[in-house]
Amino acid sequence: ELKVEQNPLFLSMQEGKNYTIYCNYSTTSDRLYWYRQDPGKSLESLFVLLSNGAVKQEGRLMASLDTKARLSTLHITAAVHDLSATYFCAVDMRYRDDKIIFGKGTRLHILP
Amino acid sequence: GAGVSQTPSNKVTEKGKYVELRCDPISGHTALYWYRQSLGQGPEFLIYFQGTGAADDSGLPNDRFFAVRPEGSVSTLKIQRTERGDSAMYLCASSLSGQGEQYFGPGTRLTVT
Repeated sequence: ELKVEQNPLFLSMQEGKNYTIYCNYSTTSDRLYWYRQDPGKSLESLFVLLSNGAVKQEGRLMASLDTKARLSTLHITAAVHDLSATYFCAVDMRYRDDKIIFGKGTRLHILP
Repeated sequence: GAGVSQTPSNKVTEKGKYVELRCDPISGHTALYWYRQSLGQGPEFLIYFQGTGAADDSGLPNDRFFAVRPEGSVSTLKIQRTERGDSAMYLCASSLSGQGEQYFGPGTRLTVT
């Protein structure tokens, strides 16, 4: 059974600081997603990572994928208050059983 | 263009009642997914449609839950004899072919009293 673990689950940080959220998964995956969710809202797609070594950047967020280590990271550079949200990674097993398995999410709170 | 829409946005029902939740996917998307998200948790897969057929319904928790997509577009998630534990956000997503990125709707928040 595929398991997806994120850490930390909660992170409070100061504006201007850098930090990394980690996503580990237990079996070989086809692709990995990062989503953002604001309170009471739906999920907004941030990144889709398709291959080993993939790196994508959008603004202050950068995501990477290491399929050999079964690890993805979401790095936040010089955090700003607007990035406060919950971030989910999700692992795609579609070529096996059509499922996407989500981690529990990392609740990020950035202090002004 | 229009994104995934879900109705109602909020539904409050009494224990034991029947509810229907509707999802209207992005036009042309053949794949449609239902997820359930409890407070403080990640979305949990329920069922996946490719066209009109349920390709994988292994996430449905029990036989009180059922979903249809009769014309390959709009889908309805049906819950019979609702229980308080069914209270959650129900999210729908669609993708172009079932092998691409999923786009999520705004969700339906179901509260069973």
